[in-house]
Amino acid sequence: DAGVTQSPTHLIKTRGQQVTLRCSPKSGHDTVSWYQQALGQGPQFIFQYYEEEERQRGNFPDRFSGHQFPNYSSELNVNALLLGDSALYLCASSLDSGRFLYEQFFGPGTRLTVL
Amino acid sequence: AQKVTQAQTEISVVEKEDVTLDCVYETRDTTYYLFWYKQPPSGELVFLIRRNSFDEQNEISGRYSWNFQKSTSSFNFTITASQVVDSAVYFCALSKLIQGAQKLVFGQGTRLTINP
Repeated sequence: DAGVTQSPTHLIKTRGQQVTLRCSPKSGHDTVSWYQQALGQGPQFIFQYYEEEERQRGNFPDRFSGHQFPNYSSELNVNALLLGDSALYLCASSLDSGRFLYEQFFGPGTRLTVL
Repeated sequence: AQKVTQAQTEISVVEKEDVTLDCVYETRDTTYYLFWYKQPPSGELVFLIRRNSFDEQNEISGRYSWNFQKSTSSFNFTITASQVVDSAVYFCALSKLIQGAQKLVFGQGTRLTINP
């Protein structure tokens, strides 16, 4: 049973560029969330996707956008990269059950470095 | 607003010692969930436990145990007879359902080092 997978593992970009990160959820999961983890900090919620729509968003600018595909996989796009966007980007998947909250399972993350 | 505080930034103990990681949370909600995750050097967050606000029973899983006290808004994690493999960063997190969506609010984490 494959867990959450993310690609690429590492990425180096320069300021102003755009980046796309990818995530495949755990088998059977239909909900994908993205988190940003700066060095030495706890993860910060970016947004969550369910049924191909963003249904909740954290305190991140519009430069951060996402997409969920019919197979539940997801992409995170960041435009006009800033030095401060350097972080570990974590994808988490879970099963939506309406009224019950299941745990989120995390992938290994993508380490983004902006120069 | 929801907030999680892990006051212990770093803890270092010798193998076989017991260690407790503190977690204090703030929320105005009556229904919420608490989590503990482990983050080894590989970076992947590993789920350890979920607790809902209506279940204050303490839980034990092998060498791990959790103490949930609503009266003090705390959800502490104890490792008994620690091992070197327990070395990692541990995160406490708080969540609730908002129209079916779940957002985890994490603490800053506690870096635990178990020395042989």
